[in-house]
Formats: sequence, C-alpha cells, structure tokens
Amino acid sequence: EAQVTQNPRYLITVTGKKLTVTCSQNMNHEYMSWYRQDPGLGLRQIYYSMNVEVTDKGDVPEGYKVSRKEKRNFPLILESPSPNQTSLYFCASSNSLRGNEQFFGPGTRLTVL
Amino acid sequence: AQKITQTQPGMFVQEKEAVTLDCTYDTSDPSYGLFWYKQPSSGEMIFLIYQGSYDQQNATEGRYSLNFQKARKSANLVISASQLGDSAMYFCAMREGLSAYSGAGSYQLTFGKGTKLSVIP
Repeated sequence: EAQVTQNPRYLITVTGKKLTVTCSQNMNHEYMSWYRQDPGLGLRQIYYSMNVEVTDKGDVPEGYKVSRKEKRNFPLILESPSPNQTSLYFCASSNSLRGNEQFFGPGTRLTVL
Repeated sequence: AQKITQTQPGMFVQEKEAVTLDCTYDTSDPSYGLFWYKQPSSGEMIFLIYQGSYDQQNATEGRYSLNFQKARKSANLVISASQLGDSAMYFCAMREGLSAYSGAGSYQLTFGKGTKLSVIP
C-alpha cells in the first residue's frame, strides 16, 4: 500500500531534549516536505527536499533541521526543542509538483513542556 | 502580505445544499498551482482538487469544482449537494514557480488558515 509513515504519532518531551521525528515513503517520490499546523495559522512549511541531498528552507525553519540521505526517508530533527514548537507536524511526499500526487502522513502531535 | 487568504473562519450549510468556500491568492508569478485540501476531525489531509494557472478550464472532481477567476486572483471551492461527511476544515494552498509544461519549479507550498465547514442535517 502506497503510504507516508511518521513516527512517533504522539510525543511529549521536555525543553532542550533532542528529538527526531521520522518520515518514510514507499512510493519512490522525489519531493518530500515537513509542515507544522497550529490553530488559526493553517499549515506552514518548515523544510522541503527536491531530491536526495537537496533540501531547502520553507517559511518557518528556525529550530529545525532535516536531512535527506536516502530517497525514502526525510527525518525532522529538533536539536533543542522549546514549548513554541508544540504543534501538529505533517510529512508529505510527491512525485510531481502539481496535482493530486502529494501524499500526507498521518501527523505527529508533539508537546514540549 | 498574505499569499493565501481564506476570509471565512467558519461556515454552515444545510445538507444537500451547495456551498462556496472562498480563497484569494497573491502572486506575481505567471506559473502557479492552486490546491484544496480537506482535513476531517480525524486529522488526515485529503487532496480534493487542483488548478494550474495555465489551465483553460475550471477543475472539477466529482462534487467539487473550483471557480477560478484569474484576473481577480480567486480560486473558490464549490461543493455541490453537501453531505454530513463534508464537515471538516478546508485549506486552500498555492505553489509558485510552477512550469506549466515540465512541472519543474519549487516545492514550496503556502497554505491559507482554513475554513471550518459544518453541514447541518
């Protein structure tokens, strides 16, 4: 089954404790992206990747890192999480820049205390 | 300036009626794509419909149609014959720098703040 998986789905952590949210897709997609969703703000793009070893900042990259060492995986790293990074995070992948080829993961709800 | 504006934070519609969700956008790029997504209370993001800036016809997908008015920079979503299952958040999004022919361009996608649609039985 074609899908984007994220782990963990729920995470409660404390300020400053490094964490990684994994994202994996099984569709051989070139494009992958991370978003955060906050009430009243919609989804905002954090980072995106056009291919292996090619990443770029979205609208809200501060406090986040990403890597794309292999095509299927695009982990999101929070080196020193802070409470303002409490949010719902989505990973997405696509083999095209248009149309309905973009698949979203199920989301990761992160709480930073 | 906001690139995507959804002016209706919440809307109600009677079951079986049609409803229009507004979306205006701001870009100086001639090549762009417009998307609508649905997010039910379960949280997943579901693609509904896509319109390219060079597409000659308004996009349609089943009960969903996109009223694309390029000169006004609006891309309103029309849902015909609303169903209870249509109750959800709806997001408009735009991708700029999209070549109409090759599909090349940036993967940067900007979302609006969303409209919460409630369908009343």
